[in-house]
Amino acid sequence: EDQVTQSPEALRLQEGESSSLNCSYTVSGLRGLFWYRQDPGKGPEFLFTLYSAGEEKEKERLKATLTKKESFLHITAPKPEDSATYLCAVQFRSGSARQLTFGSGTQLTVLP
Amino acid sequence: DSGVTQTPKHLITATGQRVTLRCSPRSGDLSVYWYQQSLDQGLQFLIQYYNGEERAKGNILERFSAQQFPDLHSELNLSSLELGDSALYFCASSVEGRYGNTIYFGEGSWLTVV
Repeated sequence: EDQVTQSPEALRLQEGESSSLNCSYTVSGLRGLFWYRQDPGKGPEFLFTLYSAGEEKEKERLKATLTKKESFLHITAPKPEDSATYLCAVQFRSGSARQLTFGSGTQLTVLP
Repeated sequence: DSGVTQTPKHLITATGQRVTLRCSPRSGDLSVYWYQQSLDQGLQFLIQYYNGEERAKGNILERFSAQQFPDLHSELNLSSLELGDSALYFCASSVEGRYGNTIYFGEGSWLTVV
């Protein structure tokens, strides 16, 4: 069964304390792995798409990496405004369907 | 602002009623997706349309239906509503690129069933 698992469920960091979020997946064929940020009561905000193992993408304090079994979202020197839920999602190689299957998210809190 | 517009933003209705949620995708995007997010279920895929045709179906209840119109906007119809249907309903849209696609989400429609 195709699955997406995120860890940890929740993470509290001090401002400036770097860390990583994990997304592991078991899918029969990966078309793409997506990272989103979601604030309470808001829609998921697109961050990155990774398509192949070894690929890396960066945006400000965030860097996403991909291996054949998992992805990491590295947060360098986080600020309180980085507090949010970070969602990982996979897109399967399945005909013409393009829907995303989401993990349950990591709730990040950055304390000043 | 993702460019995906959803209306209404908030909706309160009684059990047994029917509601329609509307979505306007980003300009040029042919695919529209509907997702449901509740506290205990996370983001669950409901259905995808591409240029007016149904392309993929998730765990969408028979009481729910959707369609995409020629102008590419989409509507999600929820009928015989139950308390458990209370959730955030998101629409998303995407365009196919040569090397993949990016899926952008709207701000959602809060549905409360009382």
